[in-house]
Amino acid sequence: AQKITQTQPGMFVQEKEAVTLDCTYDTSDPSYGLFWYKQPSSGEMIFLIYQGSYDQQNATEGRYSLNFQKARKSANLVISASQLGDSAMYFCAITTNAGKSTFGDGTTLTVKP
Amino acid sequence: DAGVIQSPRHEVTEMGQEVTLRCKPISGHNSLFWYRQTMMRGLELLIYFNNNVPIDDSGMPEDRFSAKMPNASFSTLKIQPSEPRDSAVYFCASSSLTAGSNQPQHFGDGTRLSIL
Repeated sequence: AQKITQTQPGMFVQEKEAVTLDCTYDTSDPSYGLFWYKQPSSGEMIFLIYQGSYDQQNATEGRYSLNFQKARKSANLVISASQLGDSAMYFCAITTNAGKSTFGDGTTLTVKP
Repeated sequence: DAGVIQSPRHEVTEMGQEVTLRCKPISGHNSLFWYRQTMMRGLELLIYFNNNVPIDDSGMPEDRFSAKMPNASFSTLKIQPSEPRDSAVYFCASSSLTAGSNQPQHFGDGTRLSIL
């Protein structure tokens, strides 16, 4: 069984500040991928960033970076220079090589002007 | 490139009716996923296919739900008979899952289902 825990139901951040969204995971699979998705109020699910379990370096994608601490089983998302358009629900997910995916409950981020 | 295409976008029907949701994955993707999203239960994986074969359907809530993937470019999720508690947004997603790697899932826009 695998599990994703997102402990922050809601977060606030001031525009242009950085924010960290927490994600911890549990899996018995040695090989897996960690993903972050954004779901704006319009409802679509948008892929943001990916980290492989064997990747040595933290993933970065524009203003998004993933703080991957394998020993702690955490994969926190860092958004730098927050923008109003970043206000959305953010989901952390794990996928094993067999294809099984599990999503967390999500964190609602609100960016204040 | 066309993304994952789901139809219909919205469906309103009465309890007891059969509901069929459709999905066309991204061409070349070999894995397809069906999810259900509700406020109470969040995003739940219902079933996923790899190379058109159902791999894990442990998330399917009960026998009223069934899913098929007759070919690489089409999948259906059927609910028969439907009940009000089936009301949710149903997402289809596809990815290119190859041994030893993981690729992101690309989601369709979802079907908003309301059972009256």
